[in-house]
Amino acid sequence: GIQVEQSPPDLILQEGANSTLRCNFSDSVNNLQWFHQNPWGQLINLFYIPSGTKQNGRLSATTVATERYSLLYISSSQTTDSGVYFCAVVEDYGQNFVFGPGTRLSVLP
Amino acid sequence: KAGVTQTPRYLIKTRGQQVTLSCSPISGHRSVSWYQQTPGQGLQFLFEYFSETQRNKGNFPGRFSGRQFSNSRSEMNVSTLELGDSALYLCASSPTVYYGYTFGSGTRLTVV
Repeated sequence: GIQVEQSPPDLILQEGANSTLRCNFSDSVNNLQWFHQNPWGQLINLFYIPSGTKQNGRLSATTVATERYSLLYISSSQTTDSGVYFCAVVEDYGQNFVFGPGTRLSVLP
Repeated sequence: KAGVTQTPRYLIKTRGQQVTLSCSPISGHRSVSWYQQTPGQGLQFLFEYFSETQRNKGNFPGRFSGRQFSNSRSEMNVSTLELGDSALYLCASSPTVYYGYTFGSGTRLTVV
């Protein structure tokens, strides 16, 4: 099955800093989403982005499907950005998400 | 509009018991998926239902089962609970499989 890798596994930032999270996947996908898991466990959908670039406030994401990677950019980070960020993909002809291991982000005041 | 609702939020059960978890999807969403999250295995797919039919199943033992009702609400059942079943169980819904998914807040199951 498809493999999903995320880097870095852990990231510690000072408030106001920028960061880039990466997701690599091993096969073609028809669905890719970035999620933020809050301290209470809920997965918050950030972007549905199987290809192209999207922006939402301080967050933006780019997926280069032909090269099998996606990037999540967080600018001017805030303490509320802390948590675990997951990349999840649905491979072509697949019907369920395969999640990466996540990147744990800690933003310090 | 209301999000995905999972009940109960927390549950403590004893080994050998069975448990039923409930998920109400966003209105109009016909696809409901279930995932298990543990510290050791991460997020793993359990099964997916669309219009009351199970379309896809993950690599879990037969003790894990589910169903979907005509109103798209879904339940999952775990029989003969084991300590290793302690996890956060997440439900997600989508209009179709080829669209963005929205997750509920999850049910945290502790087996003692």
